Amino acid sequence: KQEVTQIPAALSVPEGENLVLNCSFTDSAIYNLQWFRQDPGKGLTSLLLIQSSQREQTSGRLNASLDKSSGRSTLYIAASQPGDSATYLCAAPNAGGTSYGKLTFGQGTILTVHP
Amino acid sequence: GAGVSQTPSNKVTEKGKYVELRCDPISGHTALYWYRQSLGQGPEFLIYFQGTGAADDSGLPNDRFFAVRPEGSVSTLKIQRTERGDSAVYLCASSPNGLAGGDTQYFGPGTRLTVL
Repeated sequence: KQEVTQIPAALSVPEGENLVLNCSFTDSAIYNLQWFRQDPGKGLTSLLLIQSSQREQTSGRLNASLDKSSGRSTLYIAASQPGDSATYLCAAPNAGGTSYGKLTFGQGTILTVHP
Repeated sequence: GAGVSQTPSNKVTEKGKYVELRCDPISGHTALYWYRQSLGQGPEFLIYFQGTGAADDSGLPNDRFFAVRPEGSVSTLKIQRTERGDSAVYLCASSPNGLAGGDTQYFGPGTRLTVL
């Protein structure tokens, strides 16, 4: 059974800092790994999807890396802004069978960027 | 529509009642997913549809929970004899095909269910 863990559970930083969010997973047989953002009371917004054959993906100030062999992914946010404040979730679909549509989520990292 | 929509946005019911939660996926998406999110936790998988059929319902907690997608578009999650422990945000997501090994899932805003 896939288990996804995110560290830290919460993070508070001043505006402008670069920061790293960590995600680890127990079963490396994944198709990809996805990072989502969730604002309070809202649904999830997909940020980045890294295919299992890739090492990293970039979108603007966000960079996500994937190391399947060690079961780890990191989300790097450059030059953080107050608007980045949200909960960040990582999730992985397991490979094989009919479970490829089933995402297993971490519990999230609550990020606060203060001015 | 432009995105995944869910209705109602909030539902308050009494213990023992029956509720239905609706999801309208992005037009043309063949895969549809239901998740449940408790406070402070990540979403937990409930069920996944490929077209009209449930490809994986392993996350449904018990037989009080049932979901349908009769025409391969709109889906309804049905909960019988609701219990206080069913209180959570129920999230729906859709993806273009789901068969390509996990394409991006697009989430709706969720339905917040409160069972008194």
